[in-house]
Amino acid sequence: EADIYQTPRYLVIGTGKKITLECSQTMGHDKMYWYQQDPGMELHLIHYSYGVNSTEKGDLSSESTVSRIRTEHFPLTLESARPSHTSQYLCASRTGGGGELFFGEGSRLTVL
Amino acid sequence: KQEVTQIPAALSVPEGENLVLNCSFTDSAIYNLQWFRQDPGKGLTSLLLIQSSQREQTSGRLNASLDKSSGRSTLYIAASQPGDSATYLCAMRDANAGKSTFGDGTTLTVKP
Repeated sequence: EADIYQTPRYLVIGTGKKITLECSQTMGHDKMYWYQQDPGMELHLIHYSYGVNSTEKGDLSSESTVSRIRTEHFPLTLESARPSHTSQYLCASRTGGGGELFFGEGSRLTVL
Repeated sequence: KQEVTQIPAALSVPEGENLVLNCSFTDSAIYNLQWFRQDPGKGLTSLLLIQSSQREQTSGRLNASLDKSSGRSTLYIAASQPGDSATYLCAMRDANAGKSTFGDGTTLTVKP
C-alpha cells in the first residue's frame, strides 16, 4: 500500500486567490509527479521532479509552479487562481528500480 | 510521441462474466506497463505492473499480459463483481523519456 497524501481533498475558492496543494510521501521516493485530470478525461502531466531542487515542466502547459525542497514534499502553487484552473490535481511518486507509480487521492479544485 | 489507446471506452457486463480490457501503444521501447483502477472522484490505485522483460502478472482475479512486439497489453478480470465497477487505465513508461503516458481508460460497469 502506498503512503502518499494530498491536502486539501476539496477546495472551493474565488478568482485571484493564491492556493497551494500539498503532496507528501513517506516512502523516500525520489521521483514525484503532478497530473491534471478533468472529469471523464485523460491525465496530463504538468510537473515532475527527480529529486531535491529538481523540477521540470510536463507535457501540458500549466500556470502553476512547484518546489522540491525536501524529498517527501512536492507542493503545487497557483499564484492567482482562475475558473480555467478548475480541475482535479493528482500527485504521484515512483519507486526506484521497478518504477511502480503510486497516486494520492487527489485534490479537487473549484475556482468561482 | 508515445500514444496509448484503450478499447473499448466503456463496457457493461453481468456479474460473474469474465472480461478483457485492451491497451495498445505505439512505441515498442517500453520500460514497463502499469494497470490502474480509478473510482469516481478518487485517485488511481495500482493493480498490476509488468516489466518489459515479463509477459504477464497475476493478482487474485486479475491477470495482465504484455506483448511488446504487437504493442499490446490486456487486463483479464475473472468472475466479475459489482465492486469491480470503475475506470481502468493503463500507463506505459517508455525506456527513453522515463515518463508514463496514460490511456483514456475503459469504464467498466458490472451489473448485479
